[in-house]
Amino acid sequence: AQKITQTQPGMFVQEKEAVTLDCTYDTSDPSYGLFWYKQPSSGEMIFLIYQGSYDQQNATEGRYSLNFQKARKSANLVISASQLGDSAMYFCAMSLPPGGGSEKLVFGKGTKLTVNP
Amino acid sequence: DTGVSQDPRHKITKRGQNVTFRCDPISEHNRLYWYRQTLGQGPEFLTYFQNEAQLEKSRLLSDRFSAERPKGSFSTLEIQRTEQGDSAMYLCASRGQGTEAFFGQGTRLTVV
Repeated sequence: AQKITQTQPGMFVQEKEAVTLDCTYDTSDPSYGLFWYKQPSSGEMIFLIYQGSYDQQNATEGRYSLNFQKARKSANLVISASQLGDSAMYFCAMSLPPGGGSEKLVFGKGTKLTVNP
Repeated sequence: DTGVSQDPRHKITKRGQNVTFRCDPISEHNRLYWYRQTLGQGPEFLTYFQNEAQLEKSRLLSDRFSAERPKGSFSTLEIQRTEQGDSAMYLCASRGQGTEAFFGQGTRLTVV
C-alpha cells in the first residue's frame, strides 16, 4: 500500500534562510505523482509543487523546489528565502497511478514550519 | 472567487443529530473528492466522484455517511446520527485535466 512518511513534526527557520522539509514514500508502482501542500491556520490546503515519477528534472516553483531522489524514495521540499507568511503546516502527498483510477491523494502527517523574524 | 467553496465553515451539533455539508467545485472540474482531517493528522480520503458518478468510497465511509453529486456540479456530504468521533475537518477538493487538486477551506465539525 502507498504510504507517506514525514518525520519532522516541527521545524524552525530564521526569516530569509532556506529550509528543507523531509518526505519519504513507499509504493511498488512505477507510476505515481508527488505533491506538497501548505495548510495555514485557516484550513485551506494550498498546492505548492508537483513531481511526476518519470520526470527527469526536479520540480521548481518560485521559492519552492522538490529534491526528488527516486532510488531513496524521497521527495524533500526546499523553501528558499523563508518569509514570515511561510509559517504553516506542510503536507507531502502521493497520488495513485493515473489511467482509470481516482488518483486520490495519500497524505503524510505533516510538518509544522515556524519562521522566526 | 472561482475556487472551491464549502459551506458551512463551522458546524457544532449534538451527538445523534444529522448534518449536511456542501461543496461547490471549480466549475469546469469534473472530478470531486471528499477528505477528512483529524487533529494532528493529514487528510484521509473518503470518496470520489467523476461527474455525477460516485466511483470510489473508502472503508472509512461508514453507512452513516452518504455523499451525492447531482448533475455533476455541487456535492453534499451527509452524516447521520453523528458521533463524537466524527468531529473533524471535512475537506472537499476538485480536479480538472491538470495534475493538482484544488481544495476548499473545509468544514470544521464539532460533535458535542
